[in-house]
Amino acid sequence: AQSVTQLGSHVSVSEGALVLLRCNYSSSVPPYLFWYVQYPNQGLQLLLKYTTGATLVKGINGFEAEFKKSETSFHLTKPSAHMSDAAEYFCAVSAEAAGNKLTFGGGTRVLVKP
Amino acid sequence: GAGVSQSPSNKVTEKGKDVELRCDPISGHTALYWYRQRLGQGLEFLIYFQGNSAPDKSGLPSDRFSAERTGGSVSTLTIQRTQQEDSAVYLCASSLFKGVSETQYFGPGTRLLVL
Repeated sequence: AQSVTQLGSHVSVSEGALVLLRCNYSSSVPPYLFWYVQYPNQGLQLLLKYTTGATLVKGINGFEAEFKKSETSFHLTKPSAHMSDAAEYFCAVSAEAAGNKLTFGGGTRVLVKP
Repeated sequence: GAGVSQSPSNKVTEKGKDVELRCDPISGHTALYWYRQRLGQGLEFLIYFQGNSAPDKSGLPSDRFSAERTGGSVSTLTIQRTQQEDSAVYLCASSLFKGVSETQYFGPGTRLLVL
């Protein structure tokens, strides 16, 4: 079985400060990892994904995430927060053994303070 | 091009009534997924369609939930005899192919409130 844990359901950052959202996964097979963002009253939008190869993945809007197998982590970062980054962020994992379904974490809501 | 669309955007119903939620995937996408997002929680997988294969129904919470996909395109999620715990946002997603690394594209969701 696979699972995802996101530490912190709410994160508050100041505009211009580092954004760090934590994600740890559990998977018995090599995982594929995703970060999605959900703006208010909208569907989810893919930020970035890790499949194979380079463990540092760059996504849209200046976000990046690093796959660390030894730590079973896929934390999301952005060097400088912008007001438009206020949203809910979901980490997800998929694996062939799980039928290609996405398993999501509980989400982290980001508040950006001016 | 057009993204995934869902209708209605909001639905209020009374306990015990049946509801139908519709999803129009991106044209040409062969895989279609339904998820449920309860207030303050992550997304729960419900059901998955791929081409003409039998759907993966492993996430459906009870036999009150069913879904079909006609002509390999539009999908309808039906909830019979709705209960208050069915209140949630129901999200549909589609992907070009079935594949563990395929990006799923999400619709805006249908917000269901059962009174």
